[in-house]
Amino acid sequence: EDQVTQSPEALRLQEGESSSLNCSYTVSGLRGLFWYRQDPGKGPEFLFTLYSAGEEKEKERLKATLTKKESFLHITAPKPEDSATYLCAAPHNTDKLIFGTGTRLQVFP
Amino acid sequence: DADVTQTPRNRITKTGKRIMLECSQTKGHDRMYWYRQDPGLGLRLIYYSFDVKDINKGEISDGYSVSRQAQAKFSLSLESAIPNQTALYFCATSRGNTGELFFGEGSRLTVL
Repeated sequence: EDQVTQSPEALRLQEGESSSLNCSYTVSGLRGLFWYRQDPGKGPEFLFTLYSAGEEKEKERLKATLTKKESFLHITAPKPEDSATYLCAAPHNTDKLIFGTGTRLQVFP
Repeated sequence: DADVTQTPRNRITKTGKRIMLECSQTKGHDRMYWYRQDPGLGLRLIYYSFDVKDINKGEISDGYSVSRQAQAKFSLSLESAIPNQTALYFCATSRGNTGELFFGEGSRLTVL
């Protein structure tokens, strides 16, 4: 069964304390791994697409990486405005995205 | 104005009532989706449409129906609402099979 699993469920960081979020997937014939950010009361917002193992994408303090079985979202020197829920997703049956349950990140000043 | 607009944003209703959630988009995308989000369960796909004449069931379509009135409009209906349909509902769009979805702000539905 195709599945996307994220860990940890919640993460509390001090401002400036770098860390990583994990997304593991069991999707046959992976055709992309997607990261989204969701702020409270808002819809998810697209961040990155990764297509092949070894690929990396960066945006400000975020860097997403992909291996054959998992993806990491590295957050370097986070700020309070990085607080959000981060979702990863993978395509199922070529045309539908399966989402993980997300990691809720809180960054304290 | 938002590219993907959902109405209503909040709705409280009673068991057995018919409810319609509406979604309109100005992005010109061909694909539209309805998801529901529940704490601990993440986003789950209800229905999706690749063009006006194409409607497909997602993983949790029971109790829901949809209508794609135009390329820009995609409505979700609950014919007889029940309490376990209380959730946050999101409409999303995409251009082709890119996996890059654009979400609306969500419609919070409470069924008493």
